[in-house]
Formats: sequence, C-alpha cells, structure tokens
Amino acid sequence: NAGVMQNPRHLVRRRGQEARLRCSPMKGHSHVYWYRQLPEEGLKFMVYLQKENIIDESGMPKERFSAEFPKEGPSILRIQQVVRGDSAAYFCASSSGTGPYGYTFGSGTRLTVV
Amino acid sequence: GENVEQHPSTLSVQEGDSAVIKCTYSDSASNYFPWYKQELGKRPQLIIDIRSNVGEKKDQRIAVTLNKTAKHFSLHITETQPEDSAVYFCAASMDSNYQLIWGAGTKLIIKP
Repeated sequence: NAGVMQNPRHLVRRRGQEARLRCSPMKGHSHVYWYRQLPEEGLKFMVYLQKENIIDESGMPKERFSAEFPKEGPSILRIQQVVRGDSAAYFCASSSGTGPYGYTFGSGTRLTVV
Repeated sequence: GENVEQHPSTLSVQEGDSAVIKCTYSDSASNYFPWYKQELGKRPQLIIDIRSNVGEKKDQRIAVTLNKTAKHFSLHITETQPEDSAVYFCAASMDSNYQLIWGAGTKLIIKP
C-alpha cells in the first residue's frame, strides 16, 4: 500500500501563474481532505471531497482556488493567478469514512511563489 | 466555531526527562482529540488520540490526558530521546465533523 501520494513535492511558480497540486488517496479510501500549512503554524482545513463531489469547501478562498476529485484519477487542487501569500505547504489526507478518524496524510506539496 | 490553543510554542528538555504539552479548546461539543508529530519537511503523523469518554490513554512512553470540564488536554512524553525532537500538534474535532481544528504547534527540542 503506497499510502497517500502527493505530487509534486516542491513547486515553484511565478506570480500570476497557475499551480496544480495532485493527491492520490490510499487504496480503498474515497474521502479526500486538503489542508494548508503556513510556516510555523498548524494546518488549516480547506476542502473535503468525495468522488465527483465537493462536500465542504468552507475553508477554501472563493477566488482563484478550486478543487476536484474526478471519478478516475487523483484529486486536484488548483490555484490560479498565484500570489506570494499562497506560498505554503499543502497537505492532502484521505480516509475510508466520514469523520476525523484514521486520517492518513500525504507528504505534502511545498508551493513557493516568486 | 472551535478554537484550539497550544502551549508552549517551544519546549526544550534534557534527554531522559519528561515533556508536557498542553492544549485548550473552546467548543464543549468536541469529543475527539488527536496528537500529531511532524518532523521537519515531513507529513504530520498521528501518534496518539483520545475520545471524550476516557480521561487518559497511554502508549509506551506517550500518554494523553483529557479534562472535559476544564476543556483541556495534554500530551506527556516520558524518558525523552533525541528522536522525539519534532513539532507536535494537538487538534480537536467532533464525531459528526470531518474537520480537524489544529493548535499552532510546539517545537520540542531534546538536549543531549
């Protein structure tokens, strides 16, 4: 079991470009959560998805950010027109059921906006 | 909504001594309290968790205590070792909620 796979591990984007972060959940997990971690802070919830459905996007900025989890393929977190303040580590977690238990985190994508 | 505060932000202890990290939460409906360890540049890893129907849980050198009345919970690490050096995060949630609300983290430094 390969665990939760995130790629890329590191991503550098210039201001105004688009960033695409990918997350493949653990085998058998159909629930995906995205969190953002600013330096020296705890993780902040962004969005919760199940296959083809966004369940809760209350933590995600309404502009420039979007997320999807298609029927086939990984979950994608997309940030359009990146700004310096988007620089952070983005972690994806997956679980087999609803609820805060049994979260398994991926290794994260560290986005740097220059 | 829920708010979790964590203290101290940095904790330095001598190898072999004990370390205690404390968290308080605001929402009395929260009933699930995990602790995560995050090494530099790595993913958070669950080290222990507790639900509100118990007051204490132990796993070898690690223990967590919960005081629901005071709305605080603590992580205790005994006989600390160099590999315990990391940032530790507490979090809180409810059974009915998938969101974890995280504390700001404690950087634990084990001095040789």
